[in-house]
Amino acid sequence: DVQVTQSPSSVSASVGDRVTITCRASLGISSLLAWYQQKPGRAPKLLIYTASSLQSGVPSRFSGSGSGTEFTLTISSLQPEDSATYYCQQTDSFPVTFGGGTKVEI
Amino acid sequence: EVQLVESGGGLVEPGGSLRLSCTASGLTFSNAWMSWVRQAPGKGPEWVGRIKSKVNGGTVEYAAPVKGRFTISRDDSQNTLDLVMNSLRSEDTAVYYCATYNVGVVAGATRFLGLDVWGQGTTVTVSS
Repeated sequence: DVQVTQSPSSVSASVGDRVTITCRASLGISSLLAWYQQKPGRAPKLLIYTASSLQSGVPSRFSGSGSGTEFTLTISSLQPEDSATYYCQQTDSFPVTFGGGTKVEI
Repeated sequence: EVQLVESGGGLVEPGGSLRLSCTASGLTFSNAWMSWVRQAPGKGPEWVGRIKSKVNGGTVEYAAPVKGRFTISRDDSQNTLDLVMNSLRSEDTAVYYCATYNVGVVAGATRFLGLDVWGQGTTVTVSS
């Protein structure tokens, strides 16, 4: 199974800050990685697919990069509504696996 | 607008069974690949399984913890996706979500891209 490891597990930042979250895959997965945002009591929301493609309707302050085993999600200018937990997910092979999550606090 | 609505959750004793349903609207359901994902209290999401559209073979894949106990099926005439759960264990306690399993062509092959529309979830509690 491909394991995905996120870091950090939590981050506290101010409005306007740049925030970067890292996801590492245990095997090379090309660009087959997605990022999700989840707020308490809500379902996850797809932000990024194929490592860097922005899902329709997602603000452009969110961006993704990477390939192979190392990936990043960047929020260029943190907004209050970005307070949430973020998960990466490898979409390369079964079983589909999620990272452990990064809680972003404002 | 695509909407997914799960139903059927509840309290069940260990060893019991439960059937969850997901009703879809706003999309051509027969063309959609679908997935179930669960999330235990305080934990991250866990993929449960995926079913292809019938035109693509209708095949199902399961995560190891549920294989042999859970069955995913679809009724395209009713726009519904089902999850039948047998031999339930306490570790199956979770919110269960259905989601559309978005696929696309990457480097010439059809690949899974992400779960792009999710339902609101239904809670399953396995306890005596």
